Amino acid sequence: DVQLVESGGGLVQPGGSLRLSCAASGFTFNNFEMTWVRQAPGKGLEWVSGIAGGGDSTFYADSVKGRFTISRDNSKNTLYLEMNSLRAEDTAKYFCGRDARGPDCWGQGTLVTVSS
Amino acid sequence: DVVMTQSPLSLPVTLGQPASISCRSSQSLVLSDGNTYLNWFQQRPGQSPRRLIYMVSNRDSGVPDRFSGSGSGTDFTLKISRVEAEDIGIYYCMQGTHWPGTFGQGTKVEIK
Repeated sequence: DVQLVESGGGLVQPGGSLRLSCAASGFTFNNFEMTWVRQAPGKGLEWVSGIAGGGDSTFYADSVKGRFTISRDNSKNTLYLEMNSLRAEDTAKYFCGRDARGPDCWGQGTLVTVSS
Repeated sequence: DVVMTQSPLSLPVTLGQPASISCRSSQSLVLSDGNTYLNWFQQRPGQSPRRLIYMVSNRDSGVPDRFSGSGSGTDFTLKISRVEAEDIGIYYCMQGTHWPGTFGQGTKVEIK
């Protein structure tokens, strides 16, 4: 079965950093673009970032460009999101998804809270 | 960025009756490869989103055939032929044609 498991969320102070991970299994990881999508408490879905299967192309929402970095390790079947200069408005549950153009499989999400 | 506009944002429905959600994009979603990357997602309370429809009109595996997608260019629709209790939740359209991807605001489907 296809499975995505996010980890790395937690409480961080404004201006701080955090690295999220997404462990993938059940499919050929490097064949798929991957994506991060977030959802602030009680709000809608926001596409955050995407990465090509080989990791050579990356894309970002304007709201995170220059602060977040998406990457992947295809030898470990793992997707990452490095988040720097975190702001209160980055507080959300972060989901990883398979297929950046329309995720067909989602993880359960990991909660990031930015607060002093 | 491409703006996705859904309507209505709230949709009270009667069980067994049809329902329809509109999604409009601020620019054409046809990619140079000829594909249109317009998706529909369902999110039930407390759950991760689930993709229902991809590339405008293709149902994902396991999605009941009462769900259908249609449209082209900038104008798209999700239809539920007969609403069932398990269909309650929030529905989002999402375009994956232009980077960055963008979602609509969401339409909350609830029982009248």
